[in-house]
Amino acid sequence: LAKTTQPISMDSYEGQEVNITCSHNNIATNDYITWYQQFPSQGPRFIIQGYKTKVTNEVASLFIPADRKSSTLSLPRVSLSDTAVYYCLVGALNYGGATNKLIFGTGTLLAVQP
Amino acid sequence: GAVVSQHPSRVICKSGTSVKIECRSLDFQATTMFWYRQFPKQSLMLMATSNEGSKATYEQGVEKDKFLINHASLTLSTLTVTSAHPEDSSFYICSARGGGPGETQYFGPGTRLLVL
Repeated sequence: LAKTTQPISMDSYEGQEVNITCSHNNIATNDYITWYQQFPSQGPRFIIQGYKTKVTNEVASLFIPADRKSSTLSLPRVSLSDTAVYYCLVGALNYGGATNKLIFGTGTLLAVQP
Repeated sequence: GAVVSQHPSRVICKSGTSVKIECRSLDFQATTMFWYRQFPKQSLMLMATSNEGSKATYEQGVEKDKFLINHASLTLSTLTVTSAHPEDSSFYICSARGGGPGETQYFGPGTRLLVL
């Protein structure tokens, strides 16, 4: 299972763009990259998922270089409500079975200040 | 995104009793469901993976006789904490995903268990 490494914490101010980078050096060929957001006492909320290059949705962008050994979650203009823990996970999502489970790392605690 | 619900959202029980937590996928068929546990200020720890109609696969160090998992249908999985003790107090979170290519894993809101 691919292991991920993220910064433990990051600080930002309202209105800024925030980029959180995740390393996954031993990512497998059929692994996807998924990012989740978690607030205290809530389950993780899906943000974005990708396999390669760039993916964009209404809340974030995900940049994945050609070697796929890292990925960067980009939050365009953060607000106070974006203060949360962000998790990067890799795993094969195209087959069922116990081997395709998502293992959580430490995550990145993003603190947005006014 | 898809919706996953959990019930109850919180439960308080006496030591030695059993507690059942339900996890439902509300708008999709969940081929696979996962159960996680999260202690304060820690990351989620995977406990077990269950596929509909088959026995759950437990992670190393998780007692299968203590944490009973049933995945009887494509929309429901249950976790029963048997003979709960105070050290079982935690935040239990389930997740579910369908079986198609690139299927995303969606998480429930979590269940806070407090064992007195």
